[in-house]
Amino acid sequence: KAGVTQTPRYLIKTRGQQVTLSCSPISGHRSVSWYQQTPGQGLQFLFEYFSETQRNKGNFPGRFSGRQFSNSRSEMNVSTLELGDSALYLCASSPGTGNYNEQFFGPGTRLTVL
Amino acid sequence: AQSVTQLDSQVPVFEEAPVELRCNYSSSVSVYLFWYVQYPNQGLQLLLKYLSGSTLVESINGFEAEFNKSQTSFHLRKPSVHISDTAEYFCAVINSGGYQKVTFGIGTKLQVIP
Repeated sequence: KAGVTQTPRYLIKTRGQQVTLSCSPISGHRSVSWYQQTPGQGLQFLFEYFSETQRNKGNFPGRFSGRQFSNSRSEMNVSTLELGDSALYLCASSPGTGNYNEQFFGPGTRLTVL
Repeated sequence: AQSVTQLDSQVPVFEEAPVELRCNYSSSVSVYLFWYVQYPNQGLQLLLKYLSGSTLVESINGFEAEFNKSQTSFHLRKPSVHISDTAEYFCAVINSGGYQKVTFGIGTKLQVIP
């Protein structure tokens, strides 16, 4: 099975712009979670989508949004970029059913905001 | 709400020496506990997990962790480290009744010195 893929791998944007990141989960997985990783804060949970519905949400401002398509692919959007949004954005997929499923992580998208 | 504390941000250790990476958690309900490893420029990989049963869990590459409920700890140990173990290690917790809302520790960078 192919692993979790994320595109693009690297992005450079300027303040005020918006950005869209994409995540393709492992085939058959219906849950996609997004995380922001920074050196000072570690991994912070952004949100989780399951069957096109947001099932869980972290404590991020409304500039961060996401969606999931019927094929389980997910996109994350950040509007009005700030310098502090520079980070590695990771997505993870899992089957999503039952009380616990192992999450499989993609390699991440490194976003740099200038 | 759950939380995870990794007490050491960096741990240098000589090759073939033992190592312990510390993790403490806080939660008002039963939890599942995990250790993930992240190699440079890669996503996270699950190293080992505790869901229930035996409190000592092992990985295929010689790491082990012990769940200690009274001390709310899940420390990671390896009796003899190798250069290839150089990576960042993350402890994580999920409330057993929740859906995929994972809380990660801030990470510990293990630096194996030849």
